Order: sequence, then C-alpha cells, then structure tokens
Amino acid sequence: GENVEQHPSTLSVQEGDSAVIKCTYSDSASNYFPWYKQELGKRPQLIIDIRSNVGEKKDQRIAVTLNKTAKHFSLHITETQPEDSAVYFCAATLSGSARQLTFGSGTQLTVLP
Amino acid sequence: GAVVSQHPSWVICKSGTSVKIECRSLDFQATTMFWYRQFPKQSLMLMATSNEGSKATYEQGVEKDKFLINHASLTLSTLTVTSAHPEDSSFYICSARGRDSGERDTQYFGPGTRLTVL
Repeated sequence: GENVEQHPSTLSVQEGDSAVIKCTYSDSASNYFPWYKQELGKRPQLIIDIRSNVGEKKDQRIAVTLNKTAKHFSLHITETQPEDSAVYFCAATLSGSARQLTFGSGTQLTVLP
Repeated sequence: GAVVSQHPSWVICKSGTSVKIECRSLDFQATTMFWYRQFPKQSLMLMATSNEGSKATYEQGVEKDKFLINHASLTLSTLTVTSAHPEDSSFYICSARGRDSGERDTQYFGPGTRLTVL
C-alpha cells in the first residue's frame, strides 16, 4: 500500500519568513495530493491540493510543488503570519479510486511574532 | 466547500457503556465516509471506511465488534464504541467524500468528537 513520509515534524519560523514542508510517497500510481491544516482541537481543513498532471499550484501565499519522478511534493508558505501556526498534514491517493487518503505524520508549524 | 457535521462534539461516559457518534454530510451526498482516531500530537489513524449500503471495511488491528459502523444513507454514518474503556478515550473524526465530479477525491472532515471514558 501507499506510505507517506513527512518532514520536518516541527518547524519554527519568524513571522514574515517562508516555511517549507516536504513529503514523499511510495506508490507511483498515486496522483492526488492534498494538504490539510489542523488547528488544535479542530478539524483538518483542506488548504490546497495538486494532481499529478501539474507540477505546481499556487493560491495566494500557499503553493505546492510536485516531482512525480522523485515521488515527492512540498508545501510552501510565504510571508508567514502567526495564524499560520498549526499542524499541517500531507496526503496521497489514487484519484477516482476507492482508496482512502494516506496521511503523513504531520508538521507542527509555529510562526514566531 | 462541502460541510460535514459530527455529533456530539464531546462526550464523557463510564467504562462499560456504549457511545454513538454521528457523522453527517450537510450539503452533498457522501458515497464514502471514513472514521479516524487521533491521539494528541499524532496523525490521523484510519479506523474504517464505510460505503453507503454496504459493510464497513476495517483497518488491520481495529476490532469490528467494538467499533460498529453503520452507513445507512448517503448523508449519515454512525460509529458506536461498544463497552468503552479508558483506553478508547481519543479524538474521533469522520470525513466524507462526495460523488459529484468536483468532490470525488476531496475528503471533508467533521469537527471531531472528544471521547473521554472514565
């Protein structure tokens, strides 16, 4: 089955700096990669996703890049703000299949004011 | 985006009792619902996958007789923790995946249920 590894487990950045979280996946058939943000005690919320037919996707301060050959994808947050502090999870699955999302272990991002 | 509700948001029960948690998709039809368990500072651990009208598929190590899942309609799935014990205390989160083309892959999460077993 699919296995997703996520690094780092914790990340602290100064407000205004950029943050990068990286994930690798094992199943080359996976082609849908969402990122979720989870604040303490709350539900994971989808913040951005990417499919394997594109290499990069941006939404304001958030971007995701995908390298299919190397089987890794990354989340980039620019101009970080204190409200970006949360746990971020990457995930992978095969689009349109009955397969569930396989989640990474999570990254606790802390943005220091 | 699509909305998933979960009820109750928290529950405290005595050891040996059963607890039912409901997960509803409010504005879309969920062909598949997932139940996760999350311990503090850990990732989401998939417990089972339920498809409307059929039996749930449980992950390895999850006792199907202890965690009963019913997916009676395209908008409702329930998880019943039977004979709960303190080690079952956790944060239980459901998610739903819709069948409209724009939502087929995206999982929308409920707000979670904090279960504490005394």
